[in-house]
Amino acid sequence: DQQVKQNSPSLSVQEGRISILNCDYTNSMFDYFLWYKKYPAEGPTFLISISSIKDKNEDGRFTVFLNKSAKHLSLHIVPSQPGDSAVYFCAAMDTGTASKLTFGTGTRL
Amino acid sequence: DVKVTQSSRYLVKRTGEKVFLECVQDMDHENMFWYRQDPGLGLRLIYFSYDVKMKEKGDIPEGYSVSREKKERFSLILESASTNQTSMYLCASSTRREKLFFGSGTQLSVL
Repeated sequence: DQQVKQNSPSLSVQEGRISILNCDYTNSMFDYFLWYKKYPAEGPTFLISISSIKDKNEDGRFTVFLNKSAKHLSLHIVPSQPGDSAVYFCAAMDTGTASKLTFGTGTRL
Repeated sequence: DVKVTQSSRYLVKRTGEKVFLECVQDMDHENMFWYRQDPGLGLRLIYFSYDVKMKEKGDIPEGYSVSREKKERFSLILESASTNQTSMYLCASSTRREKLFFGSGTQLSVL
């Protein structure tokens, strides 16, 4: 049962344009969400996060939006750069019961 | 910078062999994790540990065990390797459970 889903396995965007990566989740207990970025032959690195008490968090070119009613989050990259080419994973956790992150399947940008 | 080091970048093993994957972190993190990454399945948690000698099962623990005798070291053990355990294995550590620092991964092939 995939609780965190990224329905687009890949995405192609021109340099300078906006990249929008989407993520859906099914567990209503998830209250903290993260995006990780992974280059080939390297481990994933933390990119940006958002708590369920917010609907937007911004860090430079990266913005994450959270729509709790739709159980949907998205990562916007503006403007997109060649160095952004990587696999992006969204992840979620229930901070109440704690323990672990659940990752999505990834989107290759 | 946090450094999480996995002992091997590539491993090739035969079916039935006992396999040890080693992970060491240098930042005195309490929490350590083992994930595997497979195409179309993302990262799936195998085991994790919040303290020395403590371990908890993740989502796919079958066929695996772990050992954490020292705070900085977390080992993943495949008792009898099978072909369906061919995968990229990623170790991670953290002080906060949500922000993980990953190693570069070990690509394991079981023939």
